[in-house]
Amino acid sequence: KAGVTQTPRYLIKTRGQQVTLSCSPISGHRSVSWYQQTPGQGLQFLFEYFSETQRNKGNFPGRFSGRQFSNSRSEMNVSTLELGDSALYLCASSQTGDADNEQFFGPGTRLTVL
Amino acid sequence: GNSVTQMEGPVTLSEEAFLTINCTYTATGYPSLFWYVQYPGEGLQLLLKATKADDKGSNKGFEATYRKETTSFHLEKGSVQVSDSAVYFCALSDYNQGGKLIFGQGTELSVKP
Repeated sequence: KAGVTQTPRYLIKTRGQQVTLSCSPISGHRSVSWYQQTPGQGLQFLFEYFSETQRNKGNFPGRFSGRQFSNSRSEMNVSTLELGDSALYLCASSQTGDADNEQFFGPGTRLTVL
Repeated sequence: GNSVTQMEGPVTLSEEAFLTINCTYTATGYPSLFWYVQYPGEGLQLLLKATKADDKGSNKGFEATYRKETTSFHLEKGSVQVSDSAVYFCALSDYNQGGKLIFGQGTELSVKP
């Protein structure tokens, strides 16, 4: 079974631009979560989608948004990029999104904002 | 709110040494607890988990016991190998918050031959 895939793997943008990241979960998984990883803040939860609905949201500004499609694929969008948005963005999928359900992580998208 | 605190790194050990990485948590509900590992240039992989008090998770020689009385989930391994060099994250997931994982800050482990 294929793992979680994320595209692109690397991205360089300039301040003020917007960016869209994509995540394809493991087949059959209905929950997709997004995390931001930085050296200073560590791993922080952005949001979770389940069956095309946002189920949980972290403490990030409205510039960060996401969506999930009927095939469970998910995208996250960051508008008006700031230097501090440079990070590794990780996507994780699970079958049900229940608290005790294992989450499988993709390799991440490394975003650099210049 | 919920939070996870784990011992700071980096931790450097010689091969075959005993490993302990401390993790404590604060949670208002009944969390599930996890240890994830991140190898260089890769995403996170689940190492082990425990979903209720006194459960012991184990995998690849690593163990951790869910201690509700001390709100701890310390990771241990009796004999580390060079291949165990990675960053280890303790995390919790609360039953009423679905797939949201709250992570500790990570502990970098380096094992020397």
